[in-house]
Amino acid sequence: DGGITQSPKYLFRKEGQNVTLSCEQNLNHDAMYWYRQDPGQGLRLIYYSQIVNDFQKGDIAEGYSVSREKKESFPLTVTSAQKNPTAFYLCASTNRGAKNIQYFGAGTRLSVL
Amino acid sequence: AQTVTQSQPEMSVQEAETVTLSCTYDTSENNYYLFWYKQPPSRQMILVIRQEAYKQQNATENRFSVNFQKAAKSFSLKISDSQLGDTAMYFCAFKARRGNAGNMLTFGGGTRLMVKP
Repeated sequence: DGGITQSPKYLFRKEGQNVTLSCEQNLNHDAMYWYRQDPGQGLRLIYYSQIVNDFQKGDIAEGYSVSREKKESFPLTVTSAQKNPTAFYLCASTNRGAKNIQYFGAGTRLSVL
Repeated sequence: AQTVTQSQPEMSVQEAETVTLSCTYDTSENNYYLFWYKQPPSRQMILVIRQEAYKQQNATENRFSVNFQKAAKSFSLKISDSQLGDTAMYFCAFKARRGNAGNMLTFGGGTRLMVKP
């Protein structure tokens, strides 16, 4: 089935540790996005990529890094510089032919030990 | 910059009744898209309905319809014949039509809807 796969579903980070969240899509979409969702709040954009080997900072990029080496993959690394990483992370993708609709993965919940 | 405001943090409705969720936005853009997304307890974001600002006709998808008032910058969602499965967080979102906006969505803070049996 076509879609967006995020893994793992749950992730725990120790103090000072970098962790990487995976996002893979088989929709042949060009653009991919990472959002952060805190409890009871809306989504905030962390990073986005419109094409392979290119990405841009969103509203809350500090403490995060990304790469886009393949069209299908857009991993997000939460670095030790992110002092409050506990949140729900959502990956999305879209294409010009997708009527500007962003399709979302099932999310990863990150907690700090 | 765009802002999206959902003024109702929580709402409830009896099963089979109708409920309307409010959304207002602020933008200087003339061409844009508006969306309502649903986030059930599973946390999966699901598109409910989409509206193109240059279309005057309000979008409808089965039991879901919108009241789009461009001049007032208002985009409310009406759910008819509410079902238990409609229980979820609902997010209003905005996207400018300009290509250099990176196809980014701006989300409101959400409305938690509870459908009661």
